[in-house]
Amino acid sequence: DAKTTQPPSMDCAEGRAANLPCNHSTISGNEYVYWYRQIHSQGPQYIIHGLKNNETNEMASLIITEDRKSSTLILPHATLRDTAVYYCIVRVVYAGGTSYGKLTFGQGTILTVHP
Amino acid sequence: DVKVTQSSRYLVKRTGEKVFLECVQDMDHENMFWYRQDPGLGLRLIYFSYDVKMKEKGDIPEGYSVSREKKERFSLILESASTNQTSMYLCASSFHLAASSTDTQYFGPGTRLTVL
Repeated sequence: DAKTTQPPSMDCAEGRAANLPCNHSTISGNEYVYWYRQIHSQGPQYIIHGLKNNETNEMASLIITEDRKSSTLILPHATLRDTAVYYCIVRVVYAGGTSYGKLTFGQGTILTVHP
Repeated sequence: DVKVTQSSRYLVKRTGEKVFLECVQDMDHENMFWYRQDPGLGLRLIYFSYDVKMKEKGDIPEGYSVSREKKERFSLILESASTNQTSMYLCASSFHLAASSTDTQYFGPGTRLTVL
């Protein structure tokens, strides 16, 4: 799976948009971009994933550049409860046979939302 | 919503004890996983299972075994607990790609195990 690079920490004011960048310059054509977050002492929480098109769900938006070498997770109106470590993961989704694939979490970005 | 539950949030055991960690998911997922998470080391895969009674070793299976007798339940067993197995243990589950377009993994809340 391709390696990702994220800033170690970011701050955001409550109510503002939080834009978390991720660099994955060695991504290959069959690799997806996944975002998870982990609030202190809890299990990781799935946020969103995409291949090449921008994606949006009830939690966030994912913007992937046209060359797919980087992406941005957007939390449109950050709240204090969004304070967490955010992980960007690039991985292959196996197309057949036994479907499994470990998730490799890097160091992530510590997002702190302040009042 | 997908729900993955783990039997305990916190557990304290003594060296040499046999320890059982239970994980249950309610989404009829075929795949289930056990990870451990340690500071500076990220998540490491211990074992996974893609069907009932099937299991595969992950990256760090030594000192652990697993059991999957029912589709919804995946147990992690520490045969003889040691202090270096003090960690946060995370269970996850996902659909098999033959049944879904994605194999997104959903995690439980974690069990923080301390071995004294």
